[in-house]
Amino acid sequence: DTEVTQTPKHLVMGMTNKKSLKCEQHMGHRAMYWYKQKAKKPPELMFVYSYEKLSINESVPSRFSPECPNSSLLNLHLHALQPEDSALYLCASSQVQTSGGNNEQFFGPGTRLTVL
Amino acid sequence: GQNIDQPTEMTATEGAIVQINCTYQTSGFNGLFWYQQHAGEAPTFLSYNVLDGLEEKGRFSSFLSRSKGYSYLLLKELQMKDSASYLCAITGFQKLVFGTGTRLLVSP
Repeated sequence: DTEVTQTPKHLVMGMTNKKSLKCEQHMGHRAMYWYKQKAKKPPELMFVYSYEKLSINESVPSRFSPECPNSSLLNLHLHALQPEDSALYLCASSQVQTSGGNNEQFFGPGTRLTVL
Repeated sequence: GQNIDQPTEMTATEGAIVQINCTYQTSGFNGLFWYQQHAGEAPTFLSYNVLDGLEEKGRFSSFLSRSKGYSYLLLKELQMKDSASYLCAITGFQKLVFGTGTRLLVSP
């Protein structure tokens, strides 16, 4: 199984709502990632989890709260978002990086988020 | 910091060869990836270079020169389905940082 799954596929939420994005992989990868991608732009890294511990937070606002309940699951909790947070949110997983090693990241199909 | 540049857009004809360049400046480098991304879809892996030289994989080849901070992706025998964005990405310090991306349009 070389698939990363994400739910939901689409999400529309108001600025006062609380919602969660979910990501799952069964490739035995111990590194998982959240990216944000705006239209016609490359993905931008938000968070990195390594061995279920948060290892990188790219100065993401606290209205985005990641969680890694186990080695297969990654969540992104959303609260009090702004319209400019509307984007495609991509989850990815990989082997934990080793020097020179090919830690190819496998991407999920993404959740298209619209904040009204 | 990191700075990774690619041409914004390229056009080519079906059956032709196209080279997409990527130049980078980075403080941490483990390797360089090329990903393909069709509109509205997830990026998919094309190639990985960690040593200088050419890696060939079917119709796609990727080249890396670490001393020059330069890579290219070569696509041969272009097909209409190759119309997509092509992203070069540097891996280092546990991160994957994407370049600006190149939108390739293949016409008949």
